[in-house]
Amino acid sequence: DAMVIQNPRYQVTQFGKPVTLSCSQTLNHNVMYWYQQKSSQAPKLLFHYYDKDFNNEADTPDNFQSRRPNTSFCFLDIRSPGLGDAAMYLCATRAGRLAGADTQYFGPGTRLTVL
Amino acid sequence: GDSVTQMEGPVTLSEEAFLTINCTYTATGYPSLFWYVQYPGEGLQLLLKATKADDKGSNKGFEATYRKETTSFHLEKGSVQVSDSAVYFCASRGGTSYGKLTFGQGTILTVHP
Repeated sequence: DAMVIQNPRYQVTQFGKPVTLSCSQTLNHNVMYWYQQKSSQAPKLLFHYYDKDFNNEADTPDNFQSRRPNTSFCFLDIRSPGLGDAAMYLCATRAGRLAGADTQYFGPGTRLTVL
Repeated sequence: GDSVTQMEGPVTLSEEAFLTINCTYTATGYPSLFWYVQYPGEGLQLLLKATKADDKGSNKGFEATYRKETTSFHLEKGSVQVSDSAVYFCASRGGTSYGKLTFGQGTILTVHP
């Protein structure tokens, strides 16, 4: 009964080789978020979708892009990964419109290694 | 802007000891407050939350009370277990429409048998 699913759990890519991380949800939530978490740090919000509306954080590098083809799926594309992009990438969802819908539900994360 | 400050870690305790992890926040208005727990190699799991002043969130023996007068949301547990070893994040959610969370820096808790 997993609610927020991320694939793969571990991803290895080469410096400069594009990579896509996947997130899906069974909660039918309006809002989906992508976070980057480096070792021993708090998660850092990269961007989010409210339905189809995309919202980028001001300090998110252009190297990071996202797609949300439907309610259930959201993808994180890293166009040219650098060594500094090695991190855990967390997807989260939130209901959005429901009363009291202030809780974000996180997936298990994808650990990205850049060689 | 909003900010969350947690006590410095790491925290090391013996099993059955009392736990307190301090958390204070600054925010405009009245944010919702959360504690998330992250086990090694995993994502964040919601531990408890409170949405207004004097609310107490509780789950799995953990408690935290939303104190508006001291802008605090300290996490407590009366008797920790080895399985509680994890990283704990305090977070606030302000009134923005997209519900952005502001996280504290995280506190590593290690519980020894």
